[in-house]
Amino acid sequence: DTEVTQTPKHLVMGMTNKKSLKCEQHMGHRAMYWYKQKAKKPPELMFVYSYEKLSINESVPSRFSPECPNSSLLNLHLHALQPEDSALYLCASSPGGYEQFFGPGTRLTVL
Amino acid sequence: RKEVEQDPGPFNVPEGATVAFNCTYSNSASQSFFWYRQDCRKEPKLLMSVYSSGNEDGRFTAQLNRASQYISLLIRDSKLSDSATYLCVVNEGNQFYFGTGTSLTVIP
Repeated sequence: DTEVTQTPKHLVMGMTNKKSLKCEQHMGHRAMYWYKQKAKKPPELMFVYSYEKLSINESVPSRFSPECPNSSLLNLHLHALQPEDSALYLCASSPGGYEQFFGPGTRLTVL
Repeated sequence: RKEVEQDPGPFNVPEGATVAFNCTYSNSASQSFFWYRQDCRKEPKLLMSVYSSGNEDGRFTAQLNRASQYISLLIRDSKLSDSATYLCVVNEGNQFYFGTGTSLTVIP
């Protein structure tokens, strides 16, 4: 199974809402990632978890809160987002030092 | 200074043409190198890893020059289905650094 799954596929939320994005992989990969991607730009790293511990936080605003409940799951909790946070949010996993596998992404719109 | 530099294009080429993309990286300690393909509104998908000895997969050939810190991708006999954005990606430990992506459109 070389698949990373993400839910939901699409999400529309208001600036006062709280929502969560979910990511799952069953490849036994030790590293998991959240990226944000705007149109015509490359993915922009947000967070890296290594062995279920947050190892990199790229100065992401606190309205984004990551969580890694276990080695297969990664969540991104969203609260009080701004319209400029609208983007494609990609989850990826990697065995470490090798290629990354991306999920299909969640397309987020903040109204 | 960006970790990975890539010509954004766009490259518009006729079917059957050969097209080459280049990429440079700044950190000589970088460990692994990849080309990803991303279709519009889709996630990046691994096209191929890049090895120092060069590697080929059908119509695609990737090369790595560690001395010059340079990576290339050659696509022969371009197909309409090759139209996409090609991302050069460099790995350092747990971090992956992306080029800006090169847009390719193959024209009938």
